[in-house]
Parts: sequence; structure tokens; C-alpha cells
Amino acid sequence: DAKTTQPPSMDCAEGRAANLPCNHSTISGNEYVYWYRQIHSQGPQYIIHGLKNNETNEMASLIITEDRKSSTLILPHATLRDTAVYYCIVLLDNAGKSTFGDGTTLTVKP
Amino acid sequence: EAQVTQNPRYLITVTGKKLTVTCSQNMNHEYMSWYRQDPGLGLRQIYYSMNVEVTDKGDVPEGYKVSRKEKRNFPLILESPSPNQTSLYFCASTPLLALGQSYNSPLHFGNGTRLTVT
Repeated sequence: DAKTTQPPSMDCAEGRAANLPCNHSTISGNEYVYWYRQIHSQGPQYIIHGLKNNETNEMASLIITEDRKSSTLILPHATLRDTAVYYCIVLLDNAGKSTFGDGTTLTVKP
Repeated sequence: EAQVTQNPRYLITVTGKKLTVTCSQNMNHEYMSWYRQDPGLGLRQIYYSMNVEVTDKGDVPEGYKVSRKEKRNFPLILESPSPNQTSLYFCASTPLLALGQSYNSPLHFGNGTRLTVT
């Protein structure tokens, strides 16, 4: 599975969009980009995933560059409850080896 | 309610005393996995299982055992715990799709077990 690079921390004002970047320059053609988040020390929670096209669901949007070497998770209107660690991982599929890096600690401020 | 249940939530034990952390899921998922989380090291995979009686090593299997005798249960066994196994442990599961499709259903995580070995 490809390695990912994320900034260790980011701040965002409440109500504004939070844009979390992820680099995955060694991604292969059939690997998916997944995003999870972890609030405090709870179990990670799935947010969204994509292969090539941009994706949107009720939680967030995922923008994947055309060359697929990077992606951005967008929380359109961040709230204080979005303060969490966000993990970007690249996987061929979920049924095998997987390791989460350190992620990005997003702090939403009032 | 669909969930992954880990027990216990907190455990303090002494070096060398065998322990088992249980993980159970009620979603009929084929795939289950164990992770440990340590500061600065993210979540690292210990073992995973694709189905009953099928288990494989993750990145950090040393000092751990697992078994998958039933689909719903995937216990993590520490035969002789040591202080370096003090960590936060998570179990996760996901369904496997039919052959020919990639397994891209998301992982469902339990709430974690905080283990301290003194």
C-alpha cells in the first residue's frame, strides 16, 4: 500500500471550511484513498473514500487530483465537534494489511 | 445495533500474566483486524483474519496470538505480556464482497481497550 503524508496539525474557524491535504505520490492505479477520523481516543470513524473521481457524502467531500498523487478532504462547515485526528490512508482494499499514520490533528476554534 | 464490541475497556496487569482481549461483531463480517495505537506511531496492525480459521500477521505481530473459531469473535491473546505492550488496542471488521470485486467497504472499529502492563 502506498505511503501517505499529512501535516501534523491544522486549525480552522468554526463555520468555515476545513481543507485537509494528503500526499500519496506512490499510489497505484487500483488503490483507493480513504479518510477516517478519531475523536479523542475513540475508535476511528469512516468518513469517505474514492478512487479517481471526486466524492461527496453527508459528512465531507473528497477531491482527488487528476494524477491521483494528492487529495483533499473538505469539511464544508466545520463545527467544534469536528475537532479530531484525521487519517488519510491508501489501500488496495480493506481486507488485508493496513496501517494508519499519525494523521492530522484538526482543531476547530470558536 | 450494528457494532464491534471490545472487552474490557481498561485493563491493568502485571508482566507475564496471560490475558485475552475479546472482540465481537454482530454484522456477519468476514474480515476482522487488531491494531495498537501508540503516541507518534499511529495505528499499527497486529493481526487480521479474512474468515473463520484464516489469520495473517500484520506489521507488529510479535508477542500476540489470535484465533478465529467463529465468524463473530476475534480474540487477541497476550501469552506473556510485557510493559512494551502497554497501548491502546482497537478491533475492526468489514464485510468482504463477492469474488471479483475489491473489498472497499469501510472498517468498523470498536471503542478500544486501554492496556497497561506493569
